[in-house]
Amino acid sequence: GENVEQHPSTLSVQEGDSAVIKCTYSDSASNYFPWYKQELGKRPQLIIDIRSNVGEKKDQRIAVTLNKTAKHFSLHITETQPEDSAVYFCAAPHRRDSNYQLIWGAGTKLIIKP
Amino acid sequence: DTGVSQDPRHKITKRGQNVTFRCDPISEHNRLYWYRQTLGQGPEFLTYFQNEAQLEKSRLLSDRFSAERPKGSFSTLEIQRTEQGDSAMYLCASSLTAWSGRIRSYNEQFFGPGTRLTVL
Repeated sequence: GENVEQHPSTLSVQEGDSAVIKCTYSDSASNYFPWYKQELGKRPQLIIDIRSNVGEKKDQRIAVTLNKTAKHFSLHITETQPEDSAVYFCAAPHRRDSNYQLIWGAGTKLIIKP
Repeated sequence: DTGVSQDPRHKITKRGQNVTFRCDPISEHNRLYWYRQTLGQGPEFLTYFQNEAQLEKSRLLSDRFSAERPKGSFSTLEIQRTEQGDSAMYLCASSLTAWSGRIRSYNEQFFGPGTRLTVL
C-alpha cells in the first residue's frame, strides 16, 4: 500500500512571498496526486491535481510539480495572499488501480503574515 | 445547495450509545466515500461505495462500524457502542467516475461539511 509523507507541518511566509509544500510517496505505480485546501472549520476542497504523465501543472498562482524518479511532488503558491492561509493536504492512491482510496498526508498549516 | 450534505453537523453522545450519520452526495455522483479526520491529521479512508455496492472497507473500520447506501443515493454510517476514541470529524465525499473507452478517469472528490462526533 501507499505511504505519504508531507513537509513541513507548519509554514509561515510573508504576504507576497512564495510557499512550497512537499510530499513523498512510496508506491512507484501511483499515478494521481491531488492537493486539497482546508480552511478552518470547513471541508477539504481540491485546488489542483496532477497525473503521472506530466511533470508540472499550473493554475494561476498555484502549481504542482512531480518527480516520479524521486517519488515526490510539490505544491507551489506564488504571490501569497491572506486568503491562502489554510491547511493543505497532499494525497496519493492507495493502489494503482484505486483512484478512489486516497492516502493523505498529515497536512501543512500555511500561515501568511501580513 | 447542490453540494454534498451531511446530517447532523454535530453529535454529542455518551460512551456506549449508538449513533447514525447521514450523507447525501451530489445527485449524479456514483461514488461515495466516508473518511474520519482527527485534529491535526489528514482524512483517513473508512469505506467506499460504487452505486449501492460497498467495495472496500479500511482496517480502521471495526465491527462496531457499518455503512450502507441502499438505493445508491444517500448513505448512512452507524457506530455502535461508541467509545471515546471514536470522537472525530466524519467526512463524506462523492465523485463521478467516467470511462473513456477503456481508460478510467480520476475525478475530484467533493466533500461534505462533516459531522463532528464527541463521545463523553
